[in-house]
Amino acid sequence: GDSVTQMEGPVTLSEEAFLTINCTYTATGYPSLFWYVQYPGEGLQLLLKATKADDKGSNKGFEATYRKETTSFHLEKGSVQVSDSAVYFCALHSGGYQKVTFGIGTKLQVIP
Amino acid sequence: KAGVTQTPRYLIKTRGQQVTLSCSPISGHRSVSWYQQTPGQGLQFLFEYFSETQRNKGNFPGRFSGRQFSNSRSEMNVSTLELGDSALYLCASSLTGGDNTGNTIYFGEGSWLTVV
Repeated sequence: GDSVTQMEGPVTLSEEAFLTINCTYTATGYPSLFWYVQYPGEGLQLLLKATKADDKGSNKGFEATYRKETTSFHLEKGSVQVSDSAVYFCALHSGGYQKVTFGIGTKLQVIP
Repeated sequence: KAGVTQTPRYLIKTRGQQVTLSCSPISGHRSVSWYQQTPGQGLQFLFEYFSETQRNKGNFPGRFSGRQFSNSRSEMNVSTLELGDSALYLCASSLTGGDNTGNTIYFGEGSWLTVV
């Protein structure tokens, strides 16, 4: 079945540091890939998505590129801010049904 | 436009009771799915509804059930609550549910259920 693997964290960075959160996946066919963010006490917000190989999703300074050859979708940001502190979920969606498979989530803490 | 709306946001139930959670999808969205989030198991798929029909179901016991109404609003019910059912229950909606470029899935804020 489908699965998503990501580092669990927590990841602690200083403000303005470079962020990478690794994500790899296993899926049949050609899934769409997502990064969702969850702030404390809130639901999930879609951060970015990519629907086919070599697509780059980007939003709010975050980027991720759909790499089919390495089955990866790593999240990057050049300069993190304290307000980026949250839990980040890598996820995939494939097929005709609305079933999303999530990674375990990576908690990011950015300190001033 | 309004997002996915879930009610209630917070609730406390006693073991053995039953609970019903409600989800109003984004206007025009016909597919609704439900997820359970717990610290130990992460985010797990419960079920999906499209045009009032359950299309897909996760690996949960029969105590977990759901339905969708003609206006696409959905409810999920958990009967005979157990302590382990304490979780954040998230609802998501999209136009058609399928994996295609124009079909983005949006999540609600969730319903926090505590079973005591």
